[in-house]
Amino acid sequence: GQQLNQSPQSMFIQEGEDVSMNCTSSSIFNTWLWYKQDPGEGPVLLIALYKAGELTSNGRLTAQFGITRKDSFLNISASIPSDVGIYFCAGPNPNDYKLSFGAGTTVTVRA
Amino acid sequence: NAGVTQTPKFQVLKTGQSMTLQCAQDMNHNSMYWYRQDPGMGLRLIYYSASEGTTDKGEVPNGYNVSRLNKREFSLRLESAAPSQTSVYFCASSEALGQASTDTQYFGPGTRLTVL
Repeated sequence: GQQLNQSPQSMFIQEGEDVSMNCTSSSIFNTWLWYKQDPGEGPVLLIALYKAGELTSNGRLTAQFGITRKDSFLNISASIPSDVGIYFCAGPNPNDYKLSFGAGTTVTVRA
Repeated sequence: NAGVTQTPKFQVLKTGQSMTLQCAQDMNHNSMYWYRQDPGMGLRLIYYSASEGTTDKGEVPNGYNVSRLNKREFSLRLESAAPSQTSVYFCASSEALGQASTDTQYFGPGTRLTVL
């Protein structure tokens, strides 16, 4: 699959803080997806982005599809303990639609 | 409506043993997938089935076989398990791979496999 570089790899955050993470690719994507994986569970889709420049929110989560189509950003505002988990970016290969995943950002919240 | 279900949830094997991981979906999806998740590597596609009756290799197919038993069920078989296959395995399904960029994959809860 195509290489998606996600950063940071992990973060410890204080409850109530805003956090940001990003994902970059060497090639263009037409769709960007953000999944969250709770401990011991499978990934669940949080936000899907379909147009360059698009900004989409889902509760306290906001994601943006970068203008170059080679990056995407996810922000979590006012973090709470249940935000703990691994956040993955993903994108379907424009040729065959198979998903490539980033390595994930592990979020741990300090109470 | 259970979504995607997987059995077993945990499994320990000895090197050389075989086993089959089961997956079923009740969303009437055409496409199904098997991924493995290893620390620091995200999810990597092992095999997929774009529609009933077809299966294709993904990024890391060596050591695995699959069967699309019917529209609902897609199984993953390890014929001779190796320690390198210790991983968490996820099954996923989507409406129709390749039909639209909006096709969304839904994941099962995973099978945690350890090969000693």
